[in-house]
Amino acid sequence: AQSVTQLDSQVPVFEEAPVELRCNYSSSVSVYLFWYVQYPNQGLQLLLKYLSGSTLVKGINGFEAEFNKSQTSFHLRKPSVHISDTAEYFCAVLRTGTASKLTFGTGTRLQVTL
Amino acid sequence: EAQVTQNPRYLITVTGKKLTVTCSQNMNHEYMSWYRQDPGLGLRQIYYSMNVEVTDKGDVPEGYKVSRKEKRNFPLILESPSPNQTSLYFCASSSPREGGSYEQYFGPGTRLTVT
Repeated sequence: AQSVTQLDSQVPVFEEAPVELRCNYSSSVSVYLFWYVQYPNQGLQLLLKYLSGSTLVKGINGFEAEFNKSQTSFHLRKPSVHISDTAEYFCAVLRTGTASKLTFGTGTRLQVTL
Repeated sequence: EAQVTQNPRYLITVTGKKLTVTCSQNMNHEYMSWYRQDPGLGLRQIYYSMNVEVTDKGDVPEGYKVSRKEKRNFPLILESPSPNQTSLYFCASSSPREGGSYEQYFGPGTRLTVT
C-alpha cells in the first residue's frame, strides 16, 4: 500500500514570490508521482508527472517538481506566483505498472494575494 | 474534444432515495474510477474498473455500487443514500497504453447533498 503526506494544508503567499508545496510519500513498491491542480469549482487538471528519467520535471503554468528517492519526496515549486495560481494542489502516487488506483494527499490550498 | 462527462453536476436528495450519477468518456480508455472529495481528506477512491465487466473496490466502497457494461460508461449507484455520502464526486479515466502516461482525466464533478 502507498500513502501521501502533504504537510501544509494552506500556504499563503504574495504575488511574484516563490513557493514550494511539500509532498512526501510512502510505498513498498515503485510508484509514479503526480501533481494535480483544482481551481475553484472545477475538476482536477494534471500539472506534471514523474514516471522515470530526469528527477526534475517541468509542468504547465511554470511549475516544476523534483523527485527525491532517498527522501521519498516530490515537492512542487514555482519561482514567481500569480494571483491566478490560487487553487488547491494535490500530490498523488500510482503504483508502477498499473493505472487502477491513484492515492492522493489531503491537498494544499495555495492562496496568492497582492 | 477528449473529455469525461458527469451528470448531474448538482444533486440534492433525501435519505434512502436511490440515485445514479452517470459518467462517460470518449477516449476509449480501459480504466475508469470514482472518487469522493471531502474537506481535509483529499480524494479517496470508491470503485474502479479495469475494463468492461471488471470492477473492484477502492478505499471507501461501502454504500456504493457500480457497473461497467460498456467501455465508455461507468455509472455510480447509491441505492440508499445517507447524509454521510454528502460529498463532491469525481469520475476519472485513463489508459496505460497512451504512451505509458498513466494520466487520469477527471470529469467536472458532481456535488451531492443528502438530507
